[in-house]
Amino acid sequence: QITLKESGPTLVKPTQTLTLTCTFSGFSLNTSGVGVGWIRQPPGKALEWLALIYWDDDKRYSPSLKSTLTITKDPSKNQVVLTMTNMDPVDTATYYCAHHTITTIVDVWGQGTTVTVSS
Amino acid sequence: QSALTQPASVSGSPGQSITISCTATTSDVGAFNYVSWYQQHPGKAPKVMIYEVSNRPSGVSDRFSGSKSGNTASLTISGLQAEDEADYYCSSYTISSISFGGGTKLTVL
Repeated sequence: QITLKESGPTLVKPTQTLTLTCTFSGFSLNTSGVGVGWIRQPPGKALEWLALIYWDDDKRYSPSLKSTLTITKDPSKNQVVLTMTNMDPVDTATYYCAHHTITTIVDVWGQGTTVTVSS
Repeated sequence: QSALTQPASVSGSPGQSITISCTATTSDVGAFNYVSWYQQHPGKAPKVMIYEVSNRPSGVSDRFSGSKSGNTASLTISGLQAEDEADYYCSSYTISSISFGGGTKLTVL
């Protein structure tokens, strides 16, 4: 059974850097075709895809946020980390990590973690 | 601006069928061969209902089906039930990333 869980701060100040960790189980990020990514959802708004890292360390980023995002993995710890710099109140959202495969795109989601950006 | 456009809302009565469309609005989407659909109830994480245009994961009701014609993918829900009331999102690949549609709120009357 694949599970993912997000962890990180619930409150960050504007201009700060957000670091979120996704800890997963039930699969290996060393397996061909597998990836872990991040998606966010501002309150009352649509899903927005952010970033993805594949088993071979191929990394993909949202074109509109690419300059602020970094995604890394530690397969030995079953973790993926997302950093987002220069946080702004518009970045207030629920952040989800998710299991990716090429055919399903996203097939298993974490429960999400809410991040508020406020001074 | 999403590369995938969905209607903001659809509605139907119990027992009826509804269809939600997802139109690729840019050539960035390419062949549009990988389309997934997600159901999201309020306060919950999304759940995949359809992948690869028309495939249904195990455990998903066969009342849910997916199709594609040209640059428009569709999710059809037949035999509408109250529990189907939720937000629905499509997703697909773009040239170097992934895009989600803006979401469709399904109301069961």
